[in-house]
Amino acid sequence: SAVISQKPSRDICQRGTSLTIQCQVDSQVTMMFWYRQQPGQSLTLIATANQGSEATYESGFVIDKFPISRPNLTFSTLTVSNMSPEDSSIYLCSVVVGAPHNEQFFGPGTRLTVL
Amino acid sequence: AQSVSQHNHHVILSEAASLELGCNYSYGGTVNLFWYVQYPGQHLQLLLKYFSGDPLVKGIKGFEAEFIKSKFSFNLRKPSVQWSDTAEYFCAVIEFSGGYNKLIFGAGTRLAVHP
Repeated sequence: SAVISQKPSRDICQRGTSLTIQCQVDSQVTMMFWYRQQPGQSLTLIATANQGSEATYESGFVIDKFPISRPNLTFSTLTVSNMSPEDSSIYLCSVVVGAPHNEQFFGPGTRLTVL
Repeated sequence: AQSVSQHNHHVILSEAASLELGCNYSYGGTVNLFWYVQYPGQHLQLLLKYFSGDPLVKGIKGFEAEFIKSKFSFNLRKPSVQWSDTAEYFCAVIEFSGGYNKLIFGAGTRLAVHP
């Protein structure tokens, strides 16, 4: 299994600012995923982050808006840049443990409100 | 690309009623299927998964799901629900994409169980 923590757990931000969300895992993992869960909707994959390489972004998400860092096998950050109210959402970090894709674990999420 | 459809967005049941939540995925071949549950205020957690073998999969808390390849379906069932089953349920499927796998979620079904 994997235990994932995220910081901050929630934040309220002003339009035009940026917020960096941290994700810490209690074990080394190759792949980390960042998801967004907008109010009343399902989870949408933003990007996949492998240690030592550029993140791979899904359609509709770009690096300038959601830069990701993955400095080691237990940590990643997602930045939401130049925020607008449409970015209000829960952002979740996730990791896969076991192969092939045996189980995916999710962090508690970061609830972001943009005013 | 793979997609997942969950037919019921909101389900309201009385305790002891039987539950069946529908899930269909978009195309065949090898599929890895999951049901996740999100209790109010808690993390997403895995209920059950199907990779291969017996198409009737048993998960935690008395839940089971049946993989029917000809129908592209993976419906979740429980013979008798409890108030504590009130939660949001997500069906998910792995999309095998290039060098990595992605977990694609359905829109979710919000279940409310009344005492």
